Amino acid sequence: AQSVTQLGSHVSVSEGALVLLRCNYSSSVPPYLFWYVQYPNQGLQLLLKYTSAATLVKGINGFEAEFKKSETSFHLTKPSAHMSDAAEYFCAVSAASGSARQLTFGSGTQLTVLP
Amino acid sequence: DADVTQTPRNRITKTGKRIMLECSQTKGHDRMYWYRQDPGLGLRLIYYSFDVKDINKGEISDGYSVSRQAQAKFSLSLESAIPNQTALYFCATSDVGSSNQPQHFGDGTRLSIL
Repeated sequence: AQSVTQLGSHVSVSEGALVLLRCNYSSSVPPYLFWYVQYPNQGLQLLLKYTSAATLVKGINGFEAEFKKSETSFHLTKPSAHMSDAAEYFCAVSAASGSARQLTFGSGTQLTVLP
Repeated sequence: DADVTQTPRNRITKTGKRIMLECSQTKGHDRMYWYRQDPGLGLRLIYYSFDVKDINKGEISDGYSVSRQAQAKFSLSLESAIPNQTALYFCATSDVGSSNQPQHFGDGTRLSIL
């Protein structure tokens, strides 16, 4: 079984401030982990993915995430928020093997960027 | 043109009506998925298909059915719609491979059932 918990359904930051969106996962096998972003009236777009190579993963738009096995975490960060980063962000987990060949999504975090 | 196209984008209908949501893709992917999104619940998998002859139930398949008409087309039906099926529905595709293949999403269908 696999699951994802995103701490904080809403996060607000000032423009130029650090963005930190939290994601913890559980998985009975080594996981693949993803972050997706959803802008209003659009589908989800892939930001980045972890696939057991480097633990620090760089994605699009200046975002990165670090896989920490000991903490079962995959938090998303960006050093300096921009107004265009306002969106909903979803963390997702997929089993690395076996029959669970599907994504399980967290409940999402709505990011607001204040001017 | 979008790689994953969903039609309609918005639909309002009445309880008891049969509804079909359609999804087509030009990405050449074998795998297709239907999700529903509800506020505070994220996305939940309804059905998925790994090729034209393969259909699998997801987490919340009750009240839904699907048809994979071709590699590029995957439709979702609500045989007798009920108000708690009001949601945002997404179709997604992914390439063949291990579980590390990302999914590519359409822009969604907003369905309201009165």
